[in-house]
Amino acid sequence: AQTVTQSQPEMSVQEAETVTLSCTYDTSESDYYLFWYKQPPSRQMILVIRQEAYKQQNATENRFSVNFQKAAKSFSLKISDSQLGDAAMYFCAYFDRGSTLGRLYFGRGTQLTVWP
Amino acid sequence: EPEVTQTPSHQVTQMGQEVILRCVPISNHLYFYWYRQILGQKVEFLVSFYNNEISEKSEIFDDQFSVERPDGSNFTLKIRSTKLEDSAMYFCASSKWTSTYEQYFGPGTRLTVT
Repeated sequence: AQTVTQSQPEMSVQEAETVTLSCTYDTSESDYYLFWYKQPPSRQMILVIRQEAYKQQNATENRFSVNFQKAAKSFSLKISDSQLGDAAMYFCAYFDRGSTLGRLYFGRGTQLTVWP
Repeated sequence: EPEVTQTPSHQVTQMGQEVILRCVPISNHLYFYWYRQILGQKVEFLVSFYNNEISEKSEIFDDQFSVERPDGSNFTLKIRSTKLEDSAMYFCASSKWTSTYEQYFGPGTRLTVT
């Protein structure tokens, strides 16, 4: 089974600064997708950004960007100009399109605190 | 913007009782999923569902669990005889199965088994 590892249980950042959350994964597949989800205290899972493995270009969504290193199986999330509303648990997730309907494999999450 | 909804937001039940968790996926989505998250642990896949049948289920999804799409809008997860260890947050997700395979999650149902 695919595994997703987030080695930072907790991170903190000052408002307006930049923070990078790490994620590594293990797979033998070549075609897959990676996602970052945000879970604020309300516990709703919100999709932040996605990356297709076949694309070399790193995905960007406003202040959120990823550093995708396929050979290293690394998928980090960079949050620029951090805002108080960014405080949440962040989950890295792997999607294997080869399985029947696909399932997401999640990491354990990184709790991000944003200080004013 | 359309979103996945789940009811109830919090359900408390006694061990051995049956519970039904309800989800309304996004209307033009055809692929449905249940995940659960025990407090402090990672989100885990339970089951996927398409065309009125289970597509895949995890080892967690034993005979005590069942899913159903009773009408054109609802998608339910039933736990027949709840155990203490079923206490968790249960998330429903739906997908259009486009080229990006994004799954959209509901706000979850917190199930507490006493």
